[in-house]
Amino acid sequence: TQLLEQSPQFLSIQEGENLTVYCNSSSVFSSLQWYRQEPGEGPVLLVTVVTGGEVKKLKRLTFQFGDARKDSSLHITAAQPGDTGLYLCAGAPLVTTTSGSRLTFGEGTQLTVNP
Amino acid sequence: DSGVTQTPKHLITATGQRVTLRCSPRSGDLSVYWYQQSLDQGLQFLIQYYNGEERAKGNILERFSAQQFPDLHSELNLSSLELGDSALYFCASSVGVPGLSQGTEAFFGQGTRLTVV
Repeated sequence: TQLLEQSPQFLSIQEGENLTVYCNSSSVFSSLQWYRQEPGEGPVLLVTVVTGGEVKKLKRLTFQFGDARKDSSLHITAAQPGDTGLYLCAGAPLVTTTSGSRLTFGEGTQLTVNP
Repeated sequence: DSGVTQTPKHLITATGQRVTLRCSPRSGDLSVYWYQQSLDQGLQFLIQYYNGEERAKGNILERFSAQQFPDLHSELNLSSLELGDSALYFCASSVGVPGLSQGTEAFFGQGTRLTVV
């Protein structure tokens, strides 16, 4: 069974601070996806990283895929209250079996950015 | 708007009852996934369908069942409901094809909030 561990589980910071969220596994994934979920809504895809060592930027968010494709990080620069939400990482299996192609989700990091 | 439609948005029912949740995937997506999210918990995978066939099962209770119809919409049936079944139920769809590692990005509906009283 593939597992993804996210840390920290909760993070409360002040507006303007920087933060990093980690997503780790002992399994190799073909790609790693990051989602953001707001209360009462479904998760929304932010980015997909595919190549080991890949770095993608989305405005103030920087996503990195580990060289071995087992881990990923999300760094937010100068956080704003609008960044508040549940951040979920999800791994796509390296070799999908005939039984499915589902993602493995981490437990999430609940980020609160205070004004 | 993700393109995935779930109905109803809210559902309140009594213990022991049965409910049906409905999901219409994004146009062109053949894979449909169902997830359960309880308060302060992550997404728990329940089941996946691809083009009408069940392809993967997670921690889905025997009281729960699902199906995907020829028009690709899916329904999740929850029976003999218990208080602990109260949760958000999400449907997601993707272009993902079992056996391929591409196209696994999931697009989620807004969820159905089920409250069992």
